[in-house]
Amino acid sequence: AQSVTQPDIHITVSEGASLELRCNYSYGATPYLFWYVQSPGQGLQLLLKYFSGDTLVQGIKGFEAEFKRSQSSFNLRKPSVHWSDAAEYFCAVGAEGFQKLVFGTGTRLLVSP
Amino acid sequence: DGGITQSPKYLFRKEGQNVTLSCEQNLNHDAMYWYRQDPGQGLRLIYYSQIVNDFQKGDIAEGYSVSREKKESFPLTVTSAQKNPTAFYLCASSIGRGQLNQPQHFGDGTRLSIL
Repeated sequence: AQSVTQPDIHITVSEGASLELRCNYSYGATPYLFWYVQSPGQGLQLLLKYFSGDTLVQGIKGFEAEFKRSQSSFNLRKPSVHWSDAAEYFCAVGAEGFQKLVFGTGTRLLVSP
Repeated sequence: DGGITQSPKYLFRKEGQNVTLSCEQNLNHDAMYWYRQDPGQGLRLIYYSQIVNDFQKGDIAEGYSVSREKKESFPLTVTSAQKNPTAFYLCASSIGRGQLNQPQHFGDGTRLSIL
């Protein structure tokens, strides 16, 4: 069965520091990969997506993610975090032939001054 | 602006009562979804619909029902059979009939609590 793991429940980063959020997946097929962000009490907003091609994808708000097939990972990165980036981040995975996306349990990002 | 509107934002249910959560989209999307979100559990799929007048159960459909009479509307009813309905409910939609290479667009959610 397909699964998605976000191993970090919480991460605290100083404002201006770099960020990397981890996402590992277990899929037999070539995956479709997404990162979403959720502010408290709101819905999810798409940050970026990967289907094929260049394994480094750029998203909104200065985020990027790199697909590494050998490691079954799709980690989210940002070179310099802003206080407004504090939110919860979800990785999601789908694949051809499957009926639904599978979401990770989320990583809550805290930004310290 | 196109988007997904969920209402109400907060909803309270009494014991033994059915309640209906509204989801409307003006994105002209074929596929619509309902998710339940609980702390530390991510999003779990309740029901989804790829086309009008058709819908399928997700992973946690027990105690819930849906209808899809119009393309733009996908209401969710939380029945009295759902014993633990307190959660944050999210509606989403996507282009195409559920192709998973299409990103899902989300509403702002409804928080349901038990009185």
